[in-house]
This record gives sequence, structure tokens and C-alpha cells, in this order.
Amino acid sequence: GAGVSQSPSNKVTEKGKDVELRCDPISGHTALYWYRQSLGQGLEFLIYFQGNSAPDKSGLPSDRFSAERTGGSVSTLTIQRTQQEDSAVYLCASSLDGRQNTEAFFGQGTRLTVV
Amino acid sequence: AQSVAQPEDQVNVAEGNPLTVKCTYSVSGNPYLFWYVQYPNRGLQFLLKYITGDNLVKGSYGFEAEFNKSQTSFHLKKPSALVSDSALYFCAVGNDMRFGAGTRLTVKP
Repeated sequence: GAGVSQSPSNKVTEKGKDVELRCDPISGHTALYWYRQSLGQGLEFLIYFQGNSAPDKSGLPSDRFSAERTGGSVSTLTIQRTQQEDSAVYLCASSLDGRQNTEAFFGQGTRLTVV
Repeated sequence: AQSVAQPEDQVNVAEGNPLTVKCTYSVSGNPYLFWYVQYPNRGLQFLLKYITGDNLVKGSYGFEAEFNKSQTSFHLKKPSALVSDSALYFCAVGNDMRFGAGTRLTVKP
């Protein structure tokens, strides 16, 4: 597609369940980022993938959070045993090459609600 | 570690007046700085970036930003604000794209 695609757009889950959020970056983009945004607040960095390099996972808030990027393209963010404080909008972005400081293009986000 | 700070949560200006949204940075090495905008119910959009070269960077929608190495700042500016500029503005730094907390700009008619 022409832009970054995230699915689902909305997800309501019960506390304690696991969820998977998907991101399809722009074709050919080597960098992929995940962020969390709570109710119109700032963007909390979660993880950064650059090509085949080991990802920067320094922003993942707990070991319940994990992410992978298969084949250098699609990425999945997994949250295990969800908690109410995990409720937020999860944003994915991609850029042509993070090492060249190219601008990022953002998806519309997945709004996660944990009840 | 690289980081940016946006000292103002909220900026209010009257339409037609100049606007400034502040950003300061902390980096080791060369700073790579970005501004993004988030309009209500829309995704984040890139406005402009500084990598090297001229300290005054021009971007989308009439915005510009001035890189100031001595003050470690990268403030976003526009000579004449529009009501439609009302949005959430984010400064970001580095190839791992770390964002500031954001500044909500409100332009009043």
C-alpha cells in the first residue's frame, strides 16, 4: 500500500488476555518504530528496528511487551497478560533508512482498550 | 542518550500573529532534529528536519525552524498563524526518533 497500515484499528480486550498488534510498513523502508500515546499525550518510544540489526528495545516498559519484525517487513507488537494501564493508542512508523535520518511516516494507530 | 524537551505544554496565539513552539535537545555528536504535527483525529505528519547545513530550515505549511547550536535549541516558527495550525506539535531527535512530550498549539480567531 501507499502508507503505513496498522491493524486492528481498535481492540478491546479483557484484562489478563494477550493481544497482537500488526504494522505493515511502507515497502522498501528499512526502519520501523513503535510508540505508545496515551490520550493526546506525548509519544512514548517502545522499540526501533533498523534493517537486520538487533532492535533497540530500550523503550519496552516491561517483559510483557515484545515485538518482532519478520523478513524486514511486517512487524507485530505483542502484549501479554494485558493490564488496564496498557490502554493507549499504539503507533507504528517506518522510514526509508533510520541511519540516514530520513523522515518517518506514521500509521493511524491501534487504539487498545483493556477492560 | 539523545533526548529533546518541549518546555511548554500549551501555546496560545492569535490568528495572524507569529508563533513559536520551543524545543531543546541533548545529544552527543551531531544532532538530527525533526518536527512533526498531529492534527485532531489524524496521524502524525512530518513538517521539517535539520541534518546539517543552514541553520534555518523551511518545511511544510509555511513552518520553519531555527537550529541554534549554542543554545541547543530547535524552535519551530511561523510568521503568521492560522486557526488551522491548531494541533499537537512534536519535536524529535536521532535515528531512533525519540520524541518530546508535545506542545498543544491553539490559534484563536
